[in-house]
Amino acid sequence: EAGVVQSPRYKIIEKKQPVAFWCNPISGHNTLYWYLQNLGQGPELLIRYENEEAVDDSQLPKDRFSAERLKGVDSTLKIQPAELGDSAVYLCASSLDASGKNNEQFFGPGTRLTVL
Amino acid sequence: GDSVTQMEGPVTLSEEAFLTINCTYTATGYPSLFWYVQYPGEGLQLLLKATKADDKGSNKGFEATYRKETTSFHLEKGSVQVSDSAVYFCALMDSSYKLIFGSGTRLLVRP
Repeated sequence: EAGVVQSPRYKIIEKKQPVAFWCNPISGHNTLYWYLQNLGQGPELLIRYENEEAVDDSQLPKDRFSAERLKGVDSTLKIQPAELGDSAVYLCASSLDASGKNNEQFFGPGTRLTVL
Repeated sequence: GDSVTQMEGPVTLSEEAFLTINCTYTATGYPSLFWYVQYPGEGLQLLLKATKADDKGSNKGFEATYRKETTSFHLEKGSVQVSDSAVYFCALMDSSYKLIFGSGTRLLVRP
């Protein structure tokens, strides 16, 4: 079974440019997460989806970040415009559900963003 | 708010040495606790978990026991291998099902 797929794996852009990341979760997983991982730190949740609904986006900087999960499967995370401080790894994860016994989160390899 | 603190790395050991990576947490209630591992160039993988006090999670020779009295979840392995070299993250799941991670501990095992 395929794991969580993310693309691109690496992205280099200049500041003020837009950028988008794509995530395909494990088939059948209802819950999808986007995390931000700064160098030398643990991941921090940006947004959580239950199917197509964003149920926790309290940590998403809404002035420049946006996300969508159309049809409750694939998801995209966008930054517009990017700033130097956005350089980090963006991780996508999925789980069958958020609660109970099916809440194990499976992580993708991440997209490493460098903003110049 | 809830938080996780783990020992800073890097931790450098010789093959077959005993490993301990300390992890303590601050949380309301009794959260589920996790250890994730991140090998170079790969995504995070769940290593083990414990969902209630005194539970012991174990996998691939690694163990961690949920200690409510000391709010700790230390990771141990009796004999490390070169292939165990990775970054290890301790995490808790808060009441809103959000994973809160520590800052990670890099382990380097030398032959």
